[in-house]
Amino acid sequence: DQQVKQNSPSLSVQEGRISILNCDYTNSMFDYFLWYKKYPAEGPTFLISISSIKDKNEDGRFTVFLNKSAKHLSLHIVPSQPGDSAVYFCAASATPYNTDKLIFGTGTRLQVFP
Amino acid sequence: ETGVTQSPTHLIKTRGQQVTLRCSSQSGHNTVSWYQQALGQGPQFIFQYYREEENGRGNFPPRFSGLQFPNYSSELNVNALELDDSALYLCASSSTQGGKNIQYFGAGTRLSVL
Repeated sequence: DQQVKQNSPSLSVQEGRISILNCDYTNSMFDYFLWYKKYPAEGPTFLISISSIKDKNEDGRFTVFLNKSAKHLSLHIVPSQPGDSAVYFCAASATPYNTDKLIFGTGTRLQVFP
Repeated sequence: ETGVTQSPTHLIKTRGQQVTLRCSSQSGHNTVSWYQQALGQGPQFIFQYYREEENGRGNFPPRFSGLQFPNYSSELNVNALELDDSALYLCASSSTQGGKNIQYFGAGTRLSVL
C-alpha cells in the first residue's frame, strides 16, 4: 500500500523554465512533508519542508505548496537550472519531531536541459 | 556533505550469508535511522535508534537487526541473506532544530546478493 505517491517517474524541463513536481498521499494523519533531492552515488539531501498548518513554504528558487483537502503537494523550481537535474523524493511524517518513520514516494527524475 | 558516513560503499554477498553495514552519524546527532532503497523505489524505513535503544521499526523481518553505540555510530545486521535484500542501504542521522527534525543521509551501501 503506497501511502505517498509520485505518479510521474520523470520530467524534462528547459533551463530557465518552471519545474513542477507532484506528490499525493493517502494517510490523513500525515502532518509534515519534506522534499529530498538525490544525485547519483549520493544520499538524499533535504531540500524543503512544510507542515500542515501552512499551504505554502518558500526557500529561494524552491516553493512547496500543500493542498490538505486534496492530499496533494507540489514542488516548484523557478527558474530551473541544469544543476537541478536529480531524482526528487517526496516524504511524509505524522509529526515534525520524527517520532515516526518517514514514508517516501518512489521519486521523480528531473532533467533540466539547456 | 552531510557528515554521515557509511561503510563499505559496495558489498557482494551470497544467499544465506550474513552482513554488517556501518554508519557514522553527524556530530551531535543522537538518532539514527536505516532505510532500504530497492531499484526504482523510494527509501523504505527499516528501524530507528535513539540513545542506543530501538525507537520504531518498519515492516522488516527480525533477521534485520541493529545496534547503536555510545558515540551514536550504528550498525545494520542482516542474517540469512535473500536475493531480494539486494538494495541500497541508507543511514540517516538527525537532530531537532527549531522544533523540526531533519534527517541527514549518508551516501549508502549498495548490497548485491547473488
